Amino acid sequence: AQSVTQPDIHITVSEGASLELRCNYSYGATPYLFWYVQSPGQGLQLLLKYFSGDTLVQGIKGFEAEFKRSQSSFNLRKPSVHWSDAAEYFCALNTGGFKTIFGAGTRLFVKA
Amino acid sequence: DTAVSQTPKYLVTQMGNDKSIKCEQNLGHDTMYWYKQDSKKFLKIMFSYNNKELIINETVPNRFSPKSPDKAHLNLHINSLELGDSAVYFCASSQPTEYEQYFGPGTRLTVT
Repeated sequence: AQSVTQPDIHITVSEGASLELRCNYSYGATPYLFWYVQSPGQGLQLLLKYFSGDTLVQGIKGFEAEFKRSQSSFNLRKPSVHWSDAAEYFCALNTGGFKTIFGAGTRLFVKA
Repeated sequence: DTAVSQTPKYLVTQMGNDKSIKCEQNLGHDTMYWYKQDSKKFLKIMFSYNNKELIINETVPNRFSPKSPDKAHLNLHINSLELGDSAVYFCASSQPTEYEQYFGPGTRLTVT
């Protein structure tokens, strides 16, 4: 069965520091992969997606993610975090059907 | 223009009552979803409709009944509400071959 694991329940980063959120998936082939962000009291917003091709994908708000097939990972990165990036981040997987599986989320705290 | 909208945003009701949540999307998408997000932020799919046809029903109690009058609307009716139904319910939409989903702002349901 397919699954998505986000090993970190929460992460605290200083403003201006770099960020990496981890995501591992379980699936026999290459899935479609996504990162979504949920600000407090809001719905989820797509940050970026990977379907095929270049394994480094750029997204909105200065985020990028790298797909590594050998590690079954799709980690999200940002070189310099802003206080407004504090939110819940979800990694998600779709295998080409109507069902998307979400990870449990990583809560990002940003300290001044 | 709001892409995916839900009403109401907050819903407080007593056990045993029946309530409905409405969802509308103006993106021209064929597929719509209902998700339940619990207090730990875990996001679980409940239903998916494609072109008004039920595609996914994820072992949701019969008290939950979705209805899709047209491709732009997917409503959720809940009978005999229970304490465990308290959660945030998200509506989302997508195109079947694109898989990225657009989420509504959520409806926070509190059952007392």
